[in-house]
Amino acid sequence: LAKTTQPISMDSYEGQEVNITCSHNNIATNDYITWYQQFPSQGPRFIIQGYKTKVTNEVASLFIPADRKSSTLSLPRVSLSDTAVYYCLVGDNQAGTALIFGKGTTLSVSS
Amino acid sequence: GAVVSQHPSWVICKSGTSVKIECRSLDFQATTMFWYRQFPKQSLMLMATSNEGSKATYEQGVEKDKFLINHASLTLSTLTVTSAHPEDSSFYICSAMGTAPGMETQYFGPGTRLLVL
Repeated sequence: LAKTTQPISMDSYEGQEVNITCSHNNIATNDYITWYQQFPSQGPRFIIQGYKTKVTNEVASLFIPADRKSSTLSLPRVSLSDTAVYYCLVGDNQAGTALIFGKGTTLSVSS
Repeated sequence: GAVVSQHPSWVICKSGTSVKIECRSLDFQATTMFWYRQFPKQSLMLMATSNEGSKATYEQGVEKDKFLINHASLTLSTLTVTSAHPEDSSFYICSAMGTAPGMETQYFGPGTRLLVL
């Protein structure tokens, strides 16, 4: 059973900022939050990972409130090539446990 | 860094034959590797967890005698689909997790498309 809940789909236009929120009410103390992007017929690609507060890298930002029961992936100025499925996962990296995938969010970017 | 490869990228075989899929971590050592399968329009389903030098742990409903997993080294895990049937046709994806600082997350391979005729 997936530990996370995300919107099934989202639509956006090129150049807009997209925020995808994920709910993980039962997150454990040792769990990290990781987001992946998947294109059709490809393996998931790591986007960003965080534990608390805010994490930013060259492609996205991850916002995590103090209670850690949710997180928001922020994609600045999306383009058509950002059309993909985005998965939010939580897991204990140190324990080497597998990530259990939920349904993900299908983001469609139009021109 | 953190590159995982799979071979082959796609395979077509006749019903009843066995197919071996390789998963390699190219630039890091992976004590743990995972195998997933994905059907069209669906999410990834975990099949098994593989630790180097020990037997794999299979998820409920996954036949261990049908999906043989070997993790013989810190950079290689193999999945063999034995006596494949059309219902085994799917997209098989592996992932690898390292233990070095900064590598404690799963990195996924590009996937292997299996079509059983």
